[in-house]
Amino acid sequence: AQTVTQSQPEMSVQEAETVTLSCTYDTSESNYYLFWYKQPPSRQMILVIRQEAYKQQNATENRFSVNFQKAAKSFSLKISDSQLGDTAMYFCASNTGANSKLTFGKGITLSVRP
Amino acid sequence: GAVVSQHPSRVICKSGTSVKIECRSLDFQATTMFWYRQFPKKSLMLMATSNEGSKATYEQGVEKDKFLINHASLTLSTLTVTSAHPEDSSFYICSARGTSGTYNEQFFGPGTRLTVL
Repeated sequence: AQTVTQSQPEMSVQEAETVTLSCTYDTSESNYYLFWYKQPPSRQMILVIRQEAYKQQNATENRFSVNFQKAAKSFSLKISDSQLGDTAMYFCASNTGANSKLTFGKGITLSVRP
Repeated sequence: GAVVSQHPSRVICKSGTSVKIECRSLDFQATTMFWYRQFPKKSLMLMATSNEGSKATYEQGVEKDKFLINHASLTLSTLTVTSAHPEDSSFYICSARGTSGTYNEQFFGPGTRLTVL
């Protein structure tokens, strides 16, 4: 079984600064995928970034990047140059190669202050 | 990109009535669709997984007879909340997984807010 843990319930960051959201996971599978989803006030789930476990290189999407530490089972999200539109709940999630069912963390509420 | 729609976006119904929520993949074929329930400020709880043409697989604790799921085609899945009660009030989200791709990525619908009076 997979587990995803987000231990910080909320964070706040000043506009234009950098913030890191933490996530740890546990799985017995060797082939798995990791995701960060954003859920703004509209509640539409938006994929922010994804990482294949077999890739050593950290994924990057514009201002969003991850720090994937496979041995430590850690998958943190770094948001650079934070913008007001980044205010949302962020969920860390994982699934395996054989099973596309997503396991979500509890989520973290991020507030970007003007 | 892949688009998933849900209808209705909001529904209010009286206790004891049934409500149907539709989930459609608009520009791709979805072999698998998922239904989630979400309470305010909480994470998504998977209710069931449905594969086209077969019976849905429900998560432990989800009442099959209360939450009827049908996945009759590769672009449409429906969730029917039968004999709805106030405790069924929630935000319901569907997602769909396509027939191709290597990331096991799910594409999410915009959600349906159900209020049972």
